Amino acid sequence: QSALTQPASLSGSPGQSITISCTGTSSDDGSYNLVSWYQQHPGKAPKLLIYEVNKRPSGVSSRFSGSKSDNTASLTISGLQAEDEASYYCCSYAGRGTSVFGGGTKLTVL
Amino acid sequence: QVRLQESGPGLVKPSETLSLTCTVSGDSISSFYWSWIRQPAGKGLEWIGRIYTSGATNYNPSLKSRVAMSVATSENRVSLRLTSVTAADTAIYFCAKVGGPTTFDPWGPGILVTVSS
Repeated sequence: QSALTQPASLSGSPGQSITISCTGTSSDDGSYNLVSWYQQHPGKAPKLLIYEVNKRPSGVSSRFSGSKSDNTASLTISGLQAEDEASYYCCSYAGRGTSVFGGGTKLTVL
Repeated sequence: QVRLQESGPGLVKPSETLSLTCTVSGDSISSFYWSWIRQPAGKGLEWIGRIYTSGATNYNPSLKSRVAMSVATSENRVSLRLTSVTAADTAIYFCAKVGGPTTFDPWGPGILVTVSS
């Protein structure tokens, strides 16, 4: 069960849009959409941002959006804000009831 | 509003067994999966496993030989045991409600467990 591949770090200026990629997600028909994204600020528990590739839980800003093509999922943050500075993790179904996380991407807002 | 709280020893000796409990408040744990996820300091998240309230489990293959999860429905608690721990098991351990195979929400605040003699 190998970890999903994410860029270790990204940066952007306020107001810009950035996209975080996550490679290695399931390509199987039955689990293709089983991808989620989490935001984690230092010293805090992760927070669910996106589930099933592109669905946002209630209360999550519409500035966060998800997509997927083949085995690569993406999280886009539009209108970057200072409060978006955090680490972001993708998660994919890995078969037989198991899940796997990406290595995480640390986002810096310049 | 569902709330989760991890508890247990913060220090475990090498080769011994790590035992943690996740207490759920605000709703019944019945008919849901509950997961344990850990994070070594400065590193990424690692999925440990999940348990359904029937007791059915799925574990991370890399930890399967050392992990056991259990559920106490009447007490609204799920538990984690990890045997033969080493320094590599030092991490913050989180419990989370599973809304879908990869949907973990909400999470507990986490508990730091250090493996050291």
